[in-house]
Amino acid sequence: DGGITQSPKYLFRKEGQNVTLSCEQNLNHDAMYWYRQDPGQGLRLIYYSQIVNDFQKGDIAEGYSVSREKKESFPLTVTSAQKNPTAFYLCASSWGKGTGGLRKNIQYFGAGTRLSVL
Amino acid sequence: SQQGEEDPQALSIQEGENATMNCSYKTSINNLQWYRQNSGRGLVHLILIRSNEREKHSGRLRVTLDTSKKSSSLLITASRAADTASYFCALISSGSARQLTFGSGTQLTVLP
Repeated sequence: DGGITQSPKYLFRKEGQNVTLSCEQNLNHDAMYWYRQDPGQGLRLIYYSQIVNDFQKGDIAEGYSVSREKKESFPLTVTSAQKNPTAFYLCASSWGKGTGGLRKNIQYFGAGTRLSVL
Repeated sequence: SQQGEEDPQALSIQEGENATMNCSYKTSINNLQWYRQNSGRGLVHLILIRSNEREKHSGRLRVTLDTSKKSSSLLITASRAADTASYFCALISSGSARQLTFGSGTQLTVLP
């Protein structure tokens, strides 16, 4: 899982509660990503950030929020507006768009956080 | 989104056999990558092939790309029980925001 740490490994959310998933990387990568994975499915992009203090919505951003105050950190908040939050959440990072060659295309993943609803 | 579609969805083989999985896509691509995911873990990058390449090797892995058919295949030779995992193709479309889009994966089981 390289230099990306996700915590906690398991998380339970109560009705109406917001929960925050942590993602920290020490790879000095500019870009960071959040994906959602449902059983037997591929990954769907929630949010991504190419640089500190900037982020963009992915394909399924509704009910989620993020911040990017530090290069190393990209926390994801699952809000009460997300009605079906049970899933496996994966954080990834990569070299920035300004990086030469193909390195910027490769993403490095954390071990994931499994979120369930109580 | 312009994701790839893997085929088959599941594959079960004996140790020592070769495993082949395929990925088809619909858009023009900049490059195509393959990732592996062990159960309940994050993804690990295996190999990247550029749109102007036809074949690439890495150890026991061989990837081919046919842009005219919009398809790629991943061959794992002499498979081992440790190769048991899900395998995903991921592509970056030409002219996009350079975001990776993932297929739904092939679940490979290698029986000892």
